[in-house]
Amino acid sequence: GENVEQHPSTLSVQEGDSAVIKCTYSDSASNYFPWYKQELGKGPQLIIDIRSNVGEKKDQRIAVTLNKTAKHFSLHITETQPEDSAVYFCAASQSWGKLQFGAGTQVVVTP
Amino acid sequence: DTGVSQDPRHKITKRGQNVTFRCDPISEHNRLYWYRQTLGQGPEFLTYFQNEAQLEKSRLLSDRFSAERPKGSFSTLEIQRTEQGDSAMYLCASSLDLGGNTEAFFGQGTRLTVV
Repeated sequence: GENVEQHPSTLSVQEGDSAVIKCTYSDSASNYFPWYKQELGKGPQLIIDIRSNVGEKKDQRIAVTLNKTAKHFSLHITETQPEDSAVYFCAASQSWGKLQFGAGTQVVVTP
Repeated sequence: DTGVSQDPRHKITKRGQNVTFRCDPISEHNRLYWYRQTLGQGPEFLTYFQNEAQLEKSRLLSDRFSAERPKGSFSTLEIQRTEQGDSAMYLCASSLDLGGNTEAFFGQGTRLTVV
């Protein structure tokens, strides 16, 4: 089955700096890669996603890149703000939607 | 409809008791998923429904677990004879099948503590 690895497990950045989280997947049949943000005590919130026919996608301060050949994808957050502090999860999926999640990255943005 | 709704938000139960959780998906979403999340880990897939049909179950879903979605709308997840290892956050998600991958939206989860 699919295996998703996520790095780093924790990331501390100064407000205004950029944050990058990287994930690798094992199953070449995976074709959908969402990213979720989870705040303490809450469910995961979808923040951005990318499909295998696209190499890059951007939404305001958030961008995701996908390298199908290397089987890795990354989340980039620019101009970080304290409210970006949370746990971020990458995931990979095939067509019917079951998500295989990474272990998560705790992002701390310090003012 | 503002999103996926789960009830209860928290549940404390004694070992050996049965518990049932409810999930109300976003209306018109035909896919519904259950995941389990333990502290410091990502969510793990348990099972999923396409309308009222349960199409896949994870090996994590032992025979003490059962899920239903009787009318293709809300779903229930029941755990019988709970064990301390069942303590976790149980998450429900829903999506609209448009013939390929579509966004899955999660509820706030039900936190189960087995004492």
